[in-house]
Amino acid sequence: QAVVTQEPSLTVSPGGTVTLTCGSSTGAVTSGHYPYWFQQKPGQAPRTLIYDTSNKHSWTPARFSGSLLGGKAALTLSGAQPEDEAEYYCLLSYSGALYVFGTGTKVTVL
Amino acid sequence: EVQLVQSGAEVKKPGESLKISCKGSGYSFTSYWIGWVRQMPGKGLEWMGIIYPGDSDTRYSPSFQGQVTISADKSISTAYLQWSSLKASDTAMYYCVRYAEAVYDMDVWGKGTTVTVSS
Repeated sequence: QAVVTQEPSLTVSPGGTVTLTCGSSTGAVTSGHYPYWFQQKPGQAPRTLIYDTSNKHSWTPARFSGSLLGGKAALTLSGAQPEDEAEYYCLLSYSGALYVFGTGTKVTVL
Repeated sequence: EVQLVQSGAEVKKPGESLKISCKGSGYSFTSYWIGWVRQMPGKGLEWMGIIYPGDSDTRYSPSFQGQVTISADKSISTAYLQWSSLKASDTAMYYCVRYAEAVYDMDVWGKGTTVTVSS
């Protein structure tokens, strides 16, 4: 089974920009992995921010964007707010409806 | 309103069986997949498997194949996750999530069911 790797932790200043990445042990992440990004705050269920690489939901703040960057999936937060402090997980789709979550990135806004 | 409502917290002993549920409402239950996700205490999210209630097509993550059973009863718009013999290591929060295959979107999450297995 593939291993999906994320940065363990990142710190961003209020109003600053940070990019989280999501890599696959099987090689480059492509649009065919349909990358997802989820936000989870302590004691809460995850919330989907991004699906299919770059698509947003109505509840996704405009400051979040998804892309492919250097063979990885990426989530960019531009103009960080205190409420963005959370754990972020990516999810990749592999063949046969097999999905694998990333290891998670704890984002601190400080 | 589209919702996934999960069953309440469970406390079980090792070796006991358990079936938890995830009831969909506000949409056509048979037209979306339902996935199950485990989160052990203080740990990350793990994908367990997915079911299409329309025809009960089920896919398991290799890590969970043979360890759990995913099923659905479309007549009552409910998906299930069950264990035949619980272990202490099954102690975790379990989430269900709706998946729209046509647009590759996982949008609605249940609030989770806490399962505690302790002697």
